[in-house]
Amino acid sequence: DVKVTQSSRYLVKRTGEKVFLECVQDMDHENMFWYRQDPGLGLRLIYFSYDVKMKEKGDIPEGYSVSREKKERFSLILESASTNQTSMYLCASRDRGRTPLHFGNGTRLTVT
Amino acid sequence: DQQVKQNSPSLSVQEGRISILNCDYTNSMFDYFLWYKKYPAEGPTFLISISSIKDKNEDGRFTVFLNKSAKHLSLHIVPSQPGDSAVYFCAASASDYKLSFGAGTTVTVRA
Repeated sequence: DVKVTQSSRYLVKRTGEKVFLECVQDMDHENMFWYRQDPGLGLRLIYFSYDVKMKEKGDIPEGYSVSREKKERFSLILESASTNQTSMYLCASRDRGRTPLHFGNGTRLTVT
Repeated sequence: DQQVKQNSPSLSVQEGRISILNCDYTNSMFDYFLWYKKYPAEGPTFLISISSIKDKNEDGRFTVFLNKSAKHLSLHIVPSQPGDSAVYFCAASASDYKLSFGAGTTVTVRA
């Protein structure tokens, strides 16, 4: 069974702080994704990666960056956290081709 | 601009009856469609998918219907059970990478 693990369930950070959200998957998947979930907006794609050191912008990349140094690990970085980045962040991975995404349990980030 | 739309934010249904969830899309390049289920404090879990070469796919109590000409898909849950109470997301893809999601429909199954 695929396991996607997000390092924190809850985080509280101050405006202007640099924030790291970590995600690890154990199924040797090529592709990894970061989404944020907000009420009424569903899940919106921030960034994705289709290989080590490769990354592509999603629909809402502003204010975020990512890092994928190893195949199993995909990090989301908020360079300078702002209150409008308060959200639920979901990491996911999938194999090649038309296969379903497998999600982690999410990180609820609050920026004060 | 959301390319996948779930226009009903919520649905209440009696246990044992049918739940019908609807989803519309605007991108004619979408050719792979999925439904996900999400409980509070958990990540979404994959429920069922359909390729654009089909118009129906069934898995146990769950059936997804695709109407390409109307750019519409629906999820039927028969019979509905209390454990089906969750948020359901419709998703669509035009490539091997990105999935676009709808805003979700909260289903409540009443005893």
